[in-house]
Amino acid sequence: QVQLVESGGGVVQPGKSLRLSCAASGFTFSIYGIHWVRQAPGKGLEWVAVIWYDGSKEKYAAFAKDRFTISRDNSKDTVFLQMSGLRDEDTAVYYCARDRRQYSGSGPYYPVAIFDYWGQGTLVTVSS
Amino acid sequence: DIQMTQSPSSVSASVGDRVTITCRASQGINDWLVWYQQKPGEAPKLLIYSASTLQSGVPSRFSASGSGTDFTLTISSLQPDDFATYYCQHANGFPPWTFGQGTRVEI
Repeated sequence: QVQLVESGGGVVQPGKSLRLSCAASGFTFSIYGIHWVRQAPGKGLEWVAVIWYDGSKEKYAAFAKDRFTISRDNSKDTVFLQMSGLRDEDTAVYYCARDRRQYSGSGPYYPVAIFDYWGQGTLVTVSS
Repeated sequence: DIQMTQSPSSVSASVGDRVTITCRASQGINDWLVWYQQKPGEAPKLLIYSASTLQSGVPSRFSASGSGTDFTLTISSLQPDDFATYYCQHANGFPPWTFGQGTRVEI
């Protein structure tokens, strides 16, 4: 079955960096885009970033641009989120989620932003 | 950015009740609308995409409709397992892909 497992969360001081991982299994990882979505404690959902199936493109929310970097290693079925310059307001549970659209093998690819499978999340706490 | 506004923010209901949640987009998004269910301490779960298409495995008591800017999610007969928070999200075109603020369905 499809599984996404996040790791790497923890307590970090403001201004520091952290790298999250999302390990996938149960599907052909290399043909799906993957997103990160976060949720601050007691708050709603907020899209963070997406990476294309082959890692060729990335898109970011405005708050993540220039501070966060999404990447992937298709040989290890893993997506990463490198976060730097962390702020108090980055405190949240970070989920990785699969995009419903798979690459068909021909033509251009664009994610549909329908998140059909989610990991359990990893908590990032930014605090001094 | 497209803003998504849900109403109500919370609804109190009983088992067997019909519950309707609305979601409004700040600009037209055709049928690029997605609904998720989230229970406390769990990840969100995809319920409906393309405004009205039920994700595989989702009970038929869930239905949704709408196009353009106004959308609804309906639970025809509320079951104990349905008490949760529901989020809409636009999937239109380019990011950022934004969510509504959520609607909590409680007893």
